[in-house]
Amino acid sequence: SQQGEEDPQALSIQEGENATMNCSYKTSINNLQWYRQNSGRGLVHLILIRSNEREKHSGRLRVTLDTSKKSSSLLITASRAADTASYFCATEEYGTSYGKLTFGQGTILTVHP
Amino acid sequence: DARVTQTPRHKVTEMGQEVTMRCQPILGHNTVFWYRQTMMQGLELLAYFRNRAPLDDSGMPKDRFSAEMPDATLATLKIQPSEPRDSAVYFCASGLSVGNSGANVLTFGAGSRLTVL
Repeated sequence: SQQGEEDPQALSIQEGENATMNCSYKTSINNLQWYRQNSGRGLVHLILIRSNEREKHSGRLRVTLDTSKKSSSLLITASRAADTASYFCATEEYGTSYGKLTFGQGTILTVHP
Repeated sequence: DARVTQTPRHKVTEMGQEVTMRCQPILGHNTVFWYRQTMMQGLELLAYFRNRAPLDDSGMPKDRFSAEMPDATLATLKIQPSEPRDSAVYFCASGLSVGNSGANVLTFGAGSRLTVL
């Protein structure tokens, strides 16, 4: 079963606009990670936020985490056509299954030039 | 850059045939994952190894799938017999997990695209 559920399933925007994707999960976590997948390729790690953190930045990426609501959001600012890809959240479980990452269904982002 | 190597990249086979996919994780990584990706189901976790020990294979159909790590440089995923519904992209990923509060960041291979006719 999927631990993370992304919302929306698909997002279409113009270059220069911001893109926001959301992720909800079910169990206690050590951290939450976001990955990107270009068509036909493997996933690439973007950013990690620990369970005791609320916000994290990396370049044009901003991630928030609300453990009380079991949700996270990924914001890409000033989007570019090259940001077109699928974005996945992944949760690393807390407890005996530590190290195990479970992925959500992903959000397909299309950025139009 | 260190990378996870998967073979074969593409495989077309007939129903009933045995399929073996191989993965070379990054040297020094202690966790290895097998995921299956389809349009309908997304990324499904099939198997999870930590220090070569299988910790979770609950997502894997046990009657036909098997996953092993014969040594630290090789992970295998075998399907016998294969069925058309096994058609998917299979990803191997590896990471370094240290302690209960460590962060396991994964590096993915390029995937093995399997088509079962």
